[in-house]
Amino acid sequence: RKEVEQDPGPFNVPEGATVAFNCTYSNSASQSFFWYRQDCRKEPKLLMSVYSSGNEDGRFTAQLNRASQYISLLIRDSKLSDSATYLCVVNVFGGSNYKLTFGKGTLLTVNP
Amino acid sequence: DTEVTQTPKHLVMGMTNKKSLKCEQHMGHRAMYWYKQKAKKPPELMFVYSYEKLSINESVPSRFSPECPNSSLLNLHLHALQPEDSALYLCASSHYEGLDFTDTQYFGPGTRLTVL
Repeated sequence: RKEVEQDPGPFNVPEGATVAFNCTYSNSASQSFFWYRQDCRKEPKLLMSVYSSGNEDGRFTAQLNRASQYISLLIRDSKLSDSATYLCVVNVFGGSNYKLTFGKGTLLTVNP
Repeated sequence: DTEVTQTPKHLVMGMTNKKSLKCEQHMGHRAMYWYKQKAKKPPELMFVYSYEKLSINESVPSRFSPECPNSSLLNLHLHALQPEDSALYLCASSHYEGLDFTDTQYFGPGTRLTVL
């Protein structure tokens, strides 16, 4: 099982749609989780951090299910500007530091 | 302010050249990172510095040499690179209060490197 697996996508949705991304992780000791968004040829930017069962920020909701080792990101009322690659990221302790382990990313295109 | 800056934005170099990538942050973060990202792939960790000491080297070839002159600066020295080393090189920093799982990394805009 890969350390972090995401929906492969791509997702193409109309403006205003609700879209959900799923992510599973293999290390049951993982304690923190992040969603980053990355625009084409730009750096990853932090979208949300998830430490407990979930987090909500405006149109974005992240949920964590530790028993199933599953994280999700829900985007409501999609905007054109939400078009990006969404990276599911798990913080794993690597012996001396926490290290980020990235999923392969899910490409979202929001269409007018 | 969560700004990490990187220079240069773009770099083209030959296989015999020596060049350096620079990264700077003024957020008081004590951990800094180098990542390599190829097109359509996620970032891959290369090096981690904690309190100006190299703490993780992910078996990176010696043609990549990191340096942390002080807590705000991180360099990546490049020598005798190969065309397959062409990629986006990302720097990141985090607060790092010891073993804190809430430690969050913030990325710089990256240097797009092309090796001819």
